[in-house]
Amino acid sequence: NAGVMQNPRHLVRRRGQEARLRCSPMKGHSHVYWYRQLPEEGLKFMVYLQKENIIDESGMPKERFSAEFPKEGPSILRIQQVVRGDSAAYFCASSLTTTRDTEAFFGQGTRLTVV
Amino acid sequence: QKEVEQDPGPLSVPEGAIVSLNCTYSNSAFQYFMWYRQYSRKGPELLMYTYSSGNKEDGRFTAQVDKSSKYISLFIRDSQPSDSATYLCAMSGGSQGNLIFGKGTKLSVKP
Repeated sequence: NAGVMQNPRHLVRRRGQEARLRCSPMKGHSHVYWYRQLPEEGLKFMVYLQKENIIDESGMPKERFSAEFPKEGPSILRIQQVVRGDSAAYFCASSLTTTRDTEAFFGQGTRLTVV
Repeated sequence: QKEVEQDPGPLSVPEGAIVSLNCTYSNSAFQYFMWYRQYSRKGPELLMYTYSSGNKEDGRFTAQVDKSSKYISLFIRDSQPSDSATYLCAMSGGSQGNLIFGKGTKLSVKP
């Protein structure tokens, strides 16, 4: 059973371009979470999605960032018109349910560098 | 005041030492408390999970939660060089996925 798969592992974008980060949750997991880790900072929650629904986007910047988790395929975190401050590691986690005894498993992350 | 405070270290100990890692928090609504280990350029890996107050032991690792003091700890006994990593505390009031993380403590265990 493969773990949470994120791709690409490394992504370089020029300022103003779009970045698309993909996350395939563990098999059978229908809950996906995106976190951002800035250098020397802890992980910051961005968004929580279930299939075709955004449940909590309280950590998402109001502009340029969007996320989706379609019925088929991976979850996508999209950053439009990237700026240098978007450079960070973006981690995806998935869980089977959200009950207290369910672990959220993290992927290896996508490291975005904006040049 | 930040919701979760964690000393970033770095913390360097000799092999075999007992390591104590701590976090304090301000939100009394937190009920789920976790410790993650993160190796360099890897994703976080769940080590310990505790619901509400109390202690939990798993091999060389012991997690403690004191809700009255808003203080959580992770103890590592007989530390090994392979324990060298960044340790992140995390907590939430509800869903396990919407977690508030500390900044992490970088631990180095010297042979």
